[in-house]
Amino acid sequence: DAGVIQSPRHEVTEMGQEVTLRCKPISGHDYLFWYRQTMMRGLELLIYFNNNVPIDDSGMPEDRFSAKMPNASFSTLKIQPSEPRDSAVYFCASSFYGADTQYFGPGTRLTVL
Amino acid sequence: EDQVTQSPEALRLQEGESSSLNCSYTVSGLRGLFWYRQDPGKGPEFLFTLYSAGEEKEKERLKATLTKKESFLHITAPKPEDSATYLCAVRRNYGGSQGNLIFGKGTKLSVKP
Repeated sequence: DAGVIQSPRHEVTEMGQEVTLRCKPISGHDYLFWYRQTMMRGLELLIYFNNNVPIDDSGMPEDRFSAKMPNASFSTLKIQPSEPRDSAVYFCASSFYGADTQYFGPGTRLTVL
Repeated sequence: EDQVTQSPEALRLQEGESSSLNCSYTVSGLRGLFWYRQDPGKGPEFLFTLYSAGEEKEKERLKATLTKKESFLHITAPKPEDSATYLCAVRRNYGGSQGNLIFGKGTKLSVKP
């Protein structure tokens, strides 16, 4: 299996622009998680889906952040408008029910100027 | 409030010098404690899951142990390739649902040849 796939790997944008991060989970996994990692706060859960349905979005920092999962093999995390404090590494992870292990993608490093 | 604290923040060892990393946690009803390894520029890689006090897991030079309040990751005769950041995470018992992982900020391990 190719593992969790994320794109782009690096994104540099200017404040106010819309940013879309993409994730393809491992085939057969029915849980998908979006995390953000910063030096100050470490790794934090933003939102997670089960069978394409958002279950817990309490970690989404503001209304500027939104996430969708239109099908079992694709999810997006959108930031609109972006701000410099959104600069971080964003990870996607997936797992399947009955297994506690989450498998992480390589991450997207976002820089907002 | 669920919390995970890892110590030390950074650890420098000589090759062959054994040591331990600590993960202290407070959680209402522990479902599982997880150890991940993270290399620079990559996503966290799963190492171990521990479910109950007294449980131990081993993989090559690593051994993870669990008590009711903390977990230790013991590294025996480390090699330079063991250099990485080691992350600890806990999941609360949600009565069957996945729930989210709460991560510590990690211990950055450097092993010098």
